[in-house]
Amino acid sequence: KQEVTQIPAALSVPEGENLVLNCSFTDSAIYNLQWFRQDPGKGLTSLLLIQSSQREQTSGRLNASLDKSSGRSTLYIAASQPGDSATYLCAGGYYGGSQGNLIFGKGTKLSVKP
Amino acid sequence: EPEVTQTPSHQVTQMGQEVILRCVPISNHLYFYWYRQILGQKVEFLVSFYNNEISEKSEIFDDQFSVERPDGSNFTLKIRSTKLEDSAMYFCANHAGSPTEETQYFGPGTRLLVL
Repeated sequence: KQEVTQIPAALSVPEGENLVLNCSFTDSAIYNLQWFRQDPGKGLTSLLLIQSSQREQTSGRLNASLDKSSGRSTLYIAASQPGDSATYLCAGGYYGGSQGNLIFGKGTKLSVKP
Repeated sequence: EPEVTQTPSHQVTQMGQEVILRCVPISNHLYFYWYRQILGQKVEFLVSFYNNEISEKSEIFDDQFSVERPDGSNFTLKIRSTKLEDSAMYFCANHAGSPTEETQYFGPGTRLLVL
């Protein structure tokens, strides 16, 4: 069974710190991995999408990497700001069946203190 | 930035009642999904829909659930005879092209509370 795990479940950092969020997945038959942001009581905002053939993607202060062989992805946030406080979810898209349905991790709740 | 919208934002219903959750997808985005998130739990896939038919459904998507595009634009999730455990946030998502290459755009969700 495909599983996506995120550690830690919660993280608190002072403003300005660089940080890394971790995501691991059990099945290497992954065609892409997506990182989302979820604010309390809100929907999911897509941050970055990494195809299985790619190693990393960057958008502004965010950089996501993917290592299929080790079953890991990381989301690097540079110079964190209080506005970055949210829950960050990673989700894997897997081959087999009808592609498209994503398997989500439980998320890392990030708190950036001013 | 294109947006997926969902109505209602909140719905409270009595156990055993039917509810219909509505989604207005991004224009010309032809792949549709419903997910749900029980409070404190992971986001879970329910069903995918393409070319006016279900592509795949999860174990959660049993006979009490159905989906359709009644007017060719809106995308609905119907839950017949709701149960207490159906209380969750329901998200609609969609994208335009290949499922393996496209970002899924999520709506803001409908929070369903079954009493």
